[in-house]
Amino acid sequence: DARVTQTPRHKVTEMGQEVTMRCQPILGHNTVFWYRQTMMQGLELLAYFRNRAPLDDSGMPKDRFSAEMPDATLATLKIQPSEPRDSAVYFCASGSSGHGLAKNIQYFGAGTRLSVL
Amino acid sequence: DAKTTQPPSMDCAEGRAANLPCNHSTISGNEYVYWYRQIHSQGPQYIIHGLKNNETNEMASLIITEDRKSSTLILPHATLRDTAVYYCIARGGGGADGLTFGKGTHLIIQP
Repeated sequence: DARVTQTPRHKVTEMGQEVTMRCQPILGHNTVFWYRQTMMQGLELLAYFRNRAPLDDSGMPKDRFSAEMPDATLATLKIQPSEPRDSAVYFCASGSSGHGLAKNIQYFGAGTRLSVL
Repeated sequence: DAKTTQPPSMDCAEGRAANLPCNHSTISGNEYVYWYRQIHSQGPQYIIHGLKNNETNEMASLIITEDRKSSTLILPHATLRDTAVYYCIARGGGGADGLTFGKGTHLIIQP
């Protein structure tokens, strides 16, 4: 059963520390998305990649957040330095942008629940 | 993306059909209607999508009005496990882009 895998599932850290979240997309998917969910803002798109190239990171605070895809099987979201307002659940999703298909079927991981104290 | 409007919450009795409405009066001709749901503490889950015609899969049915200004997601025999927030999204099919999630409908299945 193919699924998106996110690690860690839970992370508690102190303000100022670096946080790295990892995502393994479904094999064969060429598009990877990062979302953040809070009670106040709901689900927000942070950034996404197609064929490992960043397409849009306009939803991401540039000064402290960075997203990369070192290879096709790994996407990372890094926060440095972390702040209490970054506390949220971070979801990774993957999908395919095949020609002729309705392309917005995304498969989500279980999320990383981040608490910054 | 076209703006979508959903009721904030709905109740449905277990075993009955749950009908979740969505208005998308400004939808354009190439925009699909997608439905996702999010069960508590889980990631969103794709349910179904459609462009013009009604669609059915193993999870649900999607009825889109002829003028495409609204749609209804139908869960034919709701179970307690269907309690979740359901999101209706209108999105173009021209490239896999990020989804814009509204507040959705919190569907509560009552035993």
